[in-house]
Amino acid sequence: AQSVTQLGSHVSVSEGALVLLRCNYSSSVPPYLFWYVQYPNQGLQLLLKYTSAATLVKGINGFEAEFKKSETSFHLTKPSAHMSDAAEYFCAVGGSARQLTFGSGTQLTVLP
Amino acid sequence: NAGVTQTPKFQVLKTGQSMTLQCAQDMNHEYMSWYRQDPGMGLRLIHYSVGAGITDQGEVPNGYNVSRSTTEDFPLRLLSAAPSQTSVYFCASSYSKLSQETQYFGPGTRLLVL
Repeated sequence: AQSVTQLGSHVSVSEGALVLLRCNYSSSVPPYLFWYVQYPNQGLQLLLKYTSAATLVKGINGFEAEFKKSETSFHLTKPSAHMSDAAEYFCAVGGSARQLTFGSGTQLTVLP
Repeated sequence: NAGVTQTPKFQVLKTGQSMTLQCAQDMNHEYMSWYRQDPGMGLRLIHYSVGAGITDQGEVPNGYNVSRSTTEDFPLRLLSAAPSQTSVYFCASSYSKLSQETQYFGPGTRLLVL
């Protein structure tokens, strides 16, 4: 069985501030972990993914995430928020099942 | 490449009506899937297919049928629409059935059932 918990359904940051979106997972096998982003009225697109190589994963648009097995976490960060980062972000876990399990999403608002 | 395409973009149905949501991909992907997205619930898997002629149920399959007669197409059928099926539906595809593969999503179909 696998599950994902995203802490905080809404996160607001000021432009230029650190972005931190939290994701904790549960998986009975070594997990594959993903962050997807959804802009308004669009489908999801991949930001980054962890597939058991380096624990620090760099993605598009300056985002990165660190896999911490001891904490079962895969938090998403970006050093400096930009207005264009406003979107909904989904963490997802894949493992033994031929499918992904998604978290409930975090809506990121960037304030000017 | 057009990627993953979905039609229609928006649909209004009356309770009890049937309809088919279309999904096509031109990337020769083996794996295709349908999700529904509801506020505060993320994406939930409805049905998936690991190749032409092979389909299986996901987390919330009731009220939906699928078939996969070709690699490219994966239509989702609502047999008798209910208000509980009001949602945004996303089709996705990936190169293989392996769970570490990146999934590519279509733009979605917004469905309102009255």
